Amino acid sequence: AQSVAQPEDQVNVAEGNPLTVKCTYSVSGNPYLFWYVQYPNRGLQFLLKYITGDNLVKGSYGFEAEFNKSQTSFHLKKPSALVSDSALYFCAVSLSTGANNLFFGTGTRLTVIP
Amino acid sequence: EPEVTQTPSHQVTQMGQEVILRCVPISNHLYFYWYRQILGQKVEFLVSFYNNEISEKSEIFDDQFSVERPDGSNFTLKIRSTKLEDSAMYFCGSGTYNEQFFGPGTRLTVL
Repeated sequence: AQSVAQPEDQVNVAEGNPLTVKCTYSVSGNPYLFWYVQYPNRGLQFLLKYITGDNLVKGSYGFEAEFNKSQTSFHLKKPSALVSDSALYFCAVSLSTGANNLFFGTGTRLTVIP
Repeated sequence: EPEVTQTPSHQVTQMGQEVILRCVPISNHLYFYWYRQILGQKVEFLVSFYNNEISEKSEIFDDQFSVERPDGSNFTLKIRSTKLEDSAMYFCGSGTYNEQFFGPGTRLTVL
């Protein structure tokens, strides 16, 4: 069965500093991995996905994530955090490239401090 | 930028009553989804819908639940007889083959 873990409920980072939001996964087959962001009173917005190929995936708003098969991780990163990046971030895994039946992590609240 | 919209934002109902949660997907999308998040818990998949039929559903999506795309634009989730444990945030999603976009959610409170 698939599962996703986001070990940190809250991440605080100073504006301009690099940020990392951690995600590890467990699947029985090849994983398809996603990151979503939720701003206050908004829906879940797609950030990026890993299907196959290059382990470093670039997405929206300057975010990127690195797929590490040996560590079963898919951490979200950004070189320089903005205050506007403050939001709730969800990692998700699917066994289908069709993004059906996503299994979500519990979310990590990122706060960027001015 | 096109968005998925959901109505109402908050629905309060009595146990045993029927509720219909409404969603307007992004117009050129062909895949539609419902997920829910019970307070403090994970976002859980309920059902996916493609080509006017359910393509996949979870164990949560039992006979009390149904989905419909009545007029080619709206996508609804009906719960026939609500239970206390149906209280949750319900997210509608629409997408292409490779990605999903979600609405802001409807908070359902069953009393």
